[in-house]
Amino acid sequence: QVKLQQWGAGLLKPSETLSLTCAVYGGSFSGLYWSWIRQPPGKGLEWIGEVDDGGRTNYNPSLKSRVTMSVDTSKNQLSLRLTSVTAADTAVYYCARVITIYGIIIRYFDVWGQGALVTVSS
Amino acid sequence: SYELTQSLSVSVALGQTARITCGGRNIGTKNVHWYQQKPGQAPLLVIYRDYVRPSGIPERFSGSNSGNTATLTITGAQAGDEADYFCQIWDSNTAFVFGTGTKVTVL
Repeated sequence: QVKLQQWGAGLLKPSETLSLTCAVYGGSFSGLYWSWIRQPPGKGLEWIGEVDDGGRTNYNPSLKSRVTMSVDTSKNQLSLRLTSVTAADTAVYYCARVITIYGIIIRYFDVWGQGALVTVSS
Repeated sequence: SYELTQSLSVSVALGQTARITCGGRNIGTKNVHWYQQKPGQAPLLVIYRDYVRPSGIPERFSGSNSGNTATLTITGAQAGDEADYFCQIWDSNTAFVFGTGTKVTVL
């Protein structure tokens, strides 16, 4: 059974860089995309972007200028960096496995990490 | 951009049927997926490809999708079904889009 475990700094000051890592246990890492999704307190879900095992990325256009995602296939880990954070970036950040069914282009998230609260405050 | 609109809240009596809708332009032409999120927990996939239940999801959860509305139905709602529910689609223009979320209260 696949499990995703996340960690990273939980309290940042404005203008600092958010850094989170997600480790994948118990399943294949290769041949898949892995996403980061965030949820501000009391609000809905926002897709940040995705990365595959080869390091190919797709980002949400609204965050693209500040986001970098990467993978370490030797450790089955993916990472998120978000630069120049503001209070608007305060959220619970999730990593999730992307299931893609090609041909009919179906994509959804079937396994999620436990979430990591990141607070941006001066 | 593509938007998915959900009712803010739905209330259902214990054992009755709850219907949670997700509105979007021609959503019936897309594949819709549904997530349940309980307080303090990560979302859980409960329906994918409009109506397919993942392993371990009770049969009381079902889905449909047509026209401009996708629907998640909980038949015989239980107290443990009280949660927020989000719909989600993907398309090549907008990538992943989530609905605004619906809070389900079981009375």
